[in-house]
Amino acid sequence: DVKVTQSSRYLVKRTGEKVFLECVQDMDHENMFWYRQDPGLGLRLIYFSYDVKMKEKGDIPEGYSVSREKKERFSLILESASTNQTSMYLCASSPSTISEQFFGPGTRLTVL
Amino acid sequence: AQSVTQPDIHITVSEGASLELRCNYSYGATPYLFWYVQSPGQGLQLLLKYFSGDTLVQGIKGFEAEFKRSQSSFNLRKPSVHWSDAAEYFCAVGAGSGGYQKVTFGTGTKLQVIP
Repeated sequence: DVKVTQSSRYLVKRTGEKVFLECVQDMDHENMFWYRQDPGLGLRLIYFSYDVKMKEKGDIPEGYSVSREKKERFSLILESASTNQTSMYLCASSPSTISEQFFGPGTRLTVL
Repeated sequence: AQSVTQPDIHITVSEGASLELRCNYSYGATPYLFWYVQSPGQGLQLLLKYFSGDTLVQGIKGFEAEFKRSQSSFNLRKPSVHWSDAAEYFCAVGAGSGGYQKVTFGTGTKLQVIP
């Protein structure tokens, strides 16, 4: 079974802090994604990566950056956390550009 | 660019009753279509997908969906709902030409199952 793990289930940070969300997949997938999920808005794509060291902006990249130094790991970085970044963050991976995505359990981030 | 609409934010059904969750998409060609389920506190899990071929697709947990090109719809159905089906359901559409084919998710339908 594909397993996607996220470093924390719950995280509380203060405004202005630098925040790292880590995601690891164990199935050698090429593609990895970061979404945020907010009530009534569904999932919105922040960034994705289709290869090591490659990244592409999604629909809402402002305030975020990503890093993919190894194939299995995709990190989301909030350079200076703000209260409007309080959300559920979901990581996913997929073997090809158009195929099902496998999701991690999510990280619920609260920025105070 | 593609888009997907789930017109029902919240649906309540009785256990044992049938279920239909609506999904409409907008895209000029044939899209790739998915239904995912999210149980409370969990990530999303794929229920079924449509890429081509038979327009009636069978998925896990007794779910099925039918692709209707003329109506731009991909509704999810289950003949008899179980209490464990209470969750949030997301329709998604994948489309694009060459390179990365973007997947867009709907806003979700939350299903409540009453005894």
